[in-house]
Amino acid sequence: NAGVTQTPKFQVLKTGQSMTLQCAQDMNHNSMYWYRQDPGMGLRLIYYSASEGTTDKGEVPNGYNVSRLNKREFSLRLESAAPSQTSVYFCASSATRNEQFFGPGTRLTVL
Amino acid sequence: GQQVMQIPQYQHVQEGEDFTTYCNSSTTLSNIQWYKQRPGGHPVFLIQLVKSGEVKKQKRLTFQFGEAKKNSSLHITATQTTDVGTYFCADTGGGNKLTFGTGTQLKVEL
Repeated sequence: NAGVTQTPKFQVLKTGQSMTLQCAQDMNHNSMYWYRQDPGMGLRLIYYSASEGTTDKGEVPNGYNVSRLNKREFSLRLESAAPSQTSVYFCASSATRNEQFFGPGTRLTVL
Repeated sequence: GQQVMQIPQYQHVQEGEDFTTYCNSSTTLSNIQWYKQRPGGHPVFLIQLVKSGEVKKQKRLTFQFGEAKKNSSLHITATQTTDVGTYFCADTGGGNKLTFGTGTQLKVEL
């Protein structure tokens, strides 16, 4: 039982490059989330998916897209990376209205 | 949008001292969850408070939910080096989405 897994762990991009962050969970949770964490800002919700086939914007969705591929997987895509997207990205999952389980994070630097 | 503020932003204590972090909101909170994030790690769920005035304990940690459900606190008695990390509160907003507080970073010196 791996919980929530994320790939890659680290990534360096140049401005304008694109990439997809992958997330998978094996807890049969309906809900999945993408957060970014910046110093002094706490965790801010980018997008979430309440169930397979649905996605919705969070607090800071601009510059990102998501895909809920199936119940297990929820990916986050940066189409044209900008330095302001340098951050640590966490994926999380939860059963309805319960505690969230977080993945280990992806540390992204955009030059 | 709703803002959940935490104070202090940083706290430096000597091992054995107590520590408290406060979570405040200008609007009524739904349920409060508390998470701990070790340096370089990911947030880990600690507890959820649901009822007005609720108090829950986990060993040396005491969690309280205000009577008006506009604030919450986490108190650690006799801190240890294993308590080092950032503590976040989060409002559930009555649904699946969490609004996280800004966090309190705790450092413990021997």
